[in-house]
Amino acid sequence: NAGVTQTPKFQVLKTGQSMTLQCAQDMNHEYMSWYRQDPGMGLRLIHYSVGAGITDQGEVPNGYNVSRSTTEDFPLRLLSAAPSQTSVYFCASSYKRGADTQYFGPGTRLTVL
Amino acid sequence: GNSVTQMEGPVTLSEEAFLTINCTYTATGYPSLFWYVQYPGEGLQLLLKATKADDKGSNKGFEATYRKETTSFHLEKGSVQVSDSAVYFCALTEYNQGGKLIFGQGTELSVKP
Repeated sequence: NAGVTQTPKFQVLKTGQSMTLQCAQDMNHEYMSWYRQDPGMGLRLIHYSVGAGITDQGEVPNGYNVSRSTTEDFPLRLLSAAPSQTSVYFCASSYKRGADTQYFGPGTRLTVL
Repeated sequence: GNSVTQMEGPVTLSEEAFLTINCTYTATGYPSLFWYVQYPGEGLQLLLKATKADDKGSNKGFEATYRKETTSFHLEKGSVQVSDSAVYFCALTEYNQGGKLIFGQGTELSVKP
């Protein structure tokens, strides 16, 4: 199993550009989520999904869109990048929501100029 | 709302020293508690967890006990190694909150030979 994979590893954007961060898991997990990590702030939840076709907002959803058309994939879209979105982004998945262990991808480091 | 507070870092220790990283939480219900570890350049991985009061989670020589009376989940290790250098995150989740992980801000540990 590859676990949770994320692409790209690094990305530089200009303000106003759009892009999609890819996330895939091969563990047949129902629950997937996106976090951003900023210095001194831990990880904050952006969006999450409890299954294909179902998504919901987390703590910091503004400026980001998600969709979940398959169990395996959970892409994160930045529609119009802003410098405040410079961060490290992590995708995570778990078999079910609740007390179960979440498995994290290696992260995408995004810089918006 | 739910929250997690960790002791600030960085924490610098000599090899074989005793480690304690404090973590306290605020939750409305009965959360599950976790410690995740992030090694340099990598994603987060679960270190240990506890799902009910008085449970002790342990892994790789690390331990933490779920203390409901003090709302704490302090991480301890009797003898740290250079390879333990990483950032440690305390987190909680409640099933009725959609299984979302709430993270502390992280504590960086540096172990010197």
